[in-house]
Amino acid sequence: QQQVKQSPQSLIVQKGGISIINCAYENTAFDYFPWYQQFPGKGPALLIAIRPDVSEKKEGRFTISFNKSAKQFSLHIMDSQPGDSATYFCAASGGGADGLTFGKGTHLIIQP
Amino acid sequence: GAGVSQSPSNKVTEKGKDVELRCDPISGHTALYWYRQSLGQGLEFLIYFQGNSAPDKSGLPSDRFSAERTGGSVSTLTIQRTQQEDSAVYLCASSYLPGLRSSYNEQFFGPGTRLTVL
Repeated sequence: QQQVKQSPQSLIVQKGGISIINCAYENTAFDYFPWYQQFPGKGPALLIAIRPDVSEKKEGRFTISFNKSAKQFSLHIMDSQPGDSATYFCAASGGGADGLTFGKGTHLIIQP
Repeated sequence: GAGVSQSPSNKVTEKGKDVELRCDPISGHTALYWYRQSLGQGLEFLIYFQGNSAPDKSGLPSDRFSAERTGGSVSTLTIQRTQQEDSAVYLCASSYLPGLRSSYNEQFFGPGTRLTVL
């Protein structure tokens, strides 16, 4: 059972454009939703995270939008740059020390 | 400060051999996690330690997998009688949890160990 579904699998965006990646979850016990960025040969790095008591969180060019009733959340990358080209993973976990449940990842390419 | 470190960075072994993978978490981090990343399965959670104890081992793929953590710091993941389907990148992460009920479970990942079973 895939508890976090992520789309699209791959995405090509022109430099300066907006990149949008979507995730949907099933487990209503999840209450922490991070996004990770991974470059080839490196471990995932936390980009931004949100809790379900807010509908949006913005950090620089990165914004998470969260819809609790629809059990969906998305990552928006504004003014996308070639350096943003990486694989992005959404994830979710319950409280405490739960392990993260990851989406399958989105391979993002920003064309100069 | 130093991040999570893992060793070796690459490991090639023959089917049937045992392997040990090591993780050094960020100093002061009480929780430690192991994940597996493979093309077919994506990122899978395997096990976590709170201090030296692992409350739930159900995420380990089979009884050939075991993990331990000593002194609240270094952890080893051991795979016995390796199989080709064990080939993957094994990632370790750590986090600082001020209390078990905290939801701010910000996990910091190491670079991983790439395991290839021939």
